Amino acid sequence: AQKVTQAQTEISVVEKEDVTLDCVYETRDTTYYLFWYKQPPSGELVFLIRRNSFDEQNEISGRYSWNFQKSTSSFNFTITASQVVDSAVYFCALSESLSYNTDKLIFGTGTRLQVFP
Amino acid sequence: NAGVTQTPKFRVLKTGQSMTLLCAQDMNHEYMYWYRQDPGMGLRLIHYSVGEGTTAKGEVPDGYNVSRLKKQNFLLGLESAAPSQTSVYFCASSFVRTRNSYEQYFGPGTRLTVT
Repeated sequence: AQKVTQAQTEISVVEKEDVTLDCVYETRDTTYYLFWYKQPPSGELVFLIRRNSFDEQNEISGRYSWNFQKSTSSFNFTITASQVVDSAVYFCALSESLSYNTDKLIFGTGTRLQVFP
Repeated sequence: NAGVTQTPKFRVLKTGQSMTLLCAQDMNHEYMYWYRQDPGMGLRLIHYSVGEGTTAKGEVPDGYNVSRLKKQNFLLGLESAAPSQTSVYFCASSFVRTRNSYEQYFGPGTRLTVT
């Protein structure tokens, strides 16, 4: 069955520390997407990144970077020089095919990141 | 361009009452979804729609009904609310998935409490 595991329930760091959020997935699909979403205290879901299964290039966006490794079924997220505004719950998600051209998202249970000043 | 909007933002119901949550999107998306978020469980798919007039069940459909009479709207109904339906409900929408692109756009959520 499709599954996303975020083993880290909660992480606390001090500002300017680097932090990595782990995501491990299981899928039977040969083509799939992986996502990271941020949920700040206000509650909305903020899209951060999408990665196709056939594109294993790592990606960097400012202080954020993502490491996709198909060999270990992992899609880890690193925040460099963390800031208080990074405090949120972060969700990793995996697409699962619903029909020919649409998917549902399978979410992990989330990692709560607290960044202290 | 408002994206995906949800009405209401908050609601408190008593057990047995009914209500309808409204989701609207102005992006001309074919697909729409309803998820629920419970503590420690991430989001789970309730129902979805692949087009106007069509709906289908997701992972946790029991106790809910949906309708998609217009392409831009997706309604989630609770006919007889139960405390187990206390949750945060998120609506999402998307275009047709392509090889290089797929994204679900989420609404701001509706926090529902059933007492």
